[in-house]
Amino acid sequence: DADVTQTPRNRITKTGKRIMLECSQTKGHDRMYWYRQDPGLGLQLIYYSFDVKDINKGEISDGYSVSRQAQAKFSLSLESAIPNQTALYFCATKQGDTGELFFGEGSRLTVL
Amino acid sequence: LAKTTQPISMDSYEGQEVNITCSHNNIATNDYITWYQQFPSQGPRFIIQGYKTKVTNEVASLFIPADRKSSTLSLPRVSLSDTAVYYCLVGGVGGSSASKIIFGSGTRLSIRP
Repeated sequence: DADVTQTPRNRITKTGKRIMLECSQTKGHDRMYWYRQDPGLGLQLIYYSFDVKDINKGEISDGYSVSRQAQAKFSLSLESAIPNQTALYFCATKQGDTGELFFGEGSRLTVL
Repeated sequence: LAKTTQPISMDSYEGQEVNITCSHNNIATNDYITWYQQFPSQGPRFIIQGYKTKVTNEVASLFIPADRKSSTLSLPRVSLSDTAVYYCLVGGVGGSSASKIIFGSGTRLSIRP
């Protein structure tokens, strides 16, 4: 089983719908991240969480919200999806300041 | 957060050594330098991390000059499977701000037979 699991892996939805992407980890890491990647571009940080009580905005948080339900779970919500949120979304975890990031397999979201 | 600058793309051939240089002129005293590799439709994967001088592991070497304003990722004897995007990241130690990990555009490396 993967250490960082994202669900769903693929989702097609319509404009205006609420969507939740979920991420769970078994690595026991304190820090969790959500990134977005558009085709041919680099990753953009949406939100990150230092620990369960700490949520921080990243580079492109508008239109997104997150919830850190437990140390192992970090979910990303799109309250009202729009077509330009069509992208590949990655969850990642990290332990400590200098630890490496571990990524999930990605969730491909298409908003029609 | 220190801004990084990398070449957009590079080409090389199998068996060659490839060096990708990253500029980070405003690197802070407590910043580490980390490199990641990403294949299409996969999450990035950690390659190597360093603070100063030289770091080597089983897949790459990282060279950091004394002023730390740049770093060079060296991939020895590349193969076709090294075709990927490589990201240079600079980040600090301590506090929640150190957790804000920003990826730039990366360097798209293409290896030819």
